[in-house]
Amino acid sequence: AQSVAQPEDQVNVAEGNPLTVKCTYSVSGNPYLFWYVQYPNRGLQFLLKYITGDNLVKGSYGFEAEFNKSQTSFHLKKPSALVSDSALYFCAVRDTSGTYKYIFGTGTRLKVLA
Amino acid sequence: EAGVAQSPRYKIIEKRQSVAFWCNPISGHATLYWYQQILGQGPKLLIQFQNNGVVDDSQLPKDRFSAERLKGVDSTLKIQPAKLEDSAVYLCASSFILPEGGELEKLFFGSGTQLSVL
Repeated sequence: AQSVAQPEDQVNVAEGNPLTVKCTYSVSGNPYLFWYVQYPNRGLQFLLKYITGDNLVKGSYGFEAEFNKSQTSFHLKKPSALVSDSALYFCAVRDTSGTYKYIFGTGTRLKVLA
Repeated sequence: EAGVAQSPRYKIIEKRQSVAFWCNPISGHATLYWYQQILGQGPKLLIQFQNNGVVDDSQLPKDRFSAERLKGVDSTLKIQPAKLEDSAVYLCASSFILPEGGELEKLFFGSGTQLSVL
């Protein structure tokens, strides 16, 4: 069964510093991986996805993610954090059985300190 | 473009009462999902529709939860009777089929309905 794990409940980073939010995955076959962000009292918003191709994927709001097949990881990164990046971040994997079912991780709360 | 609409925004009920949530996806989106997000956890898929047919409802507690999408557009999720552990945010999401085939690998979410069961 497909799954993703987010090992950190919370990540704190100072504004202007680089940030990393970690995600590891377990899938059979080629992984379809995603990052979503959730601001307070809002639904989830798509940030970026990895389907195939370059291991470094660029997404919205200056975020990028690095796909590493040998480490089964898909970490979210940003070179310089903003206070407005503070939110809840979810890693997700799409089921490879053809049902277009998405499985989400438990989420990581990012807090960017001014 | 209009986003995924959900109502109500908040709902407070007592245990054993019934409740219904409504979702109107983005126009033209064939796939509709209902997720349950308990505080501190990631969204858990309850049911997935393709047009008006059910694709996956394996994690829907069918003794108390039901969902329908009769005309392949908007959808209703019902809980009857509610339990304390049903307190959560219920998220609706939608997606569409690309003209060249395949699904767009991106979900559009509504703002959710926050349910409190007392």
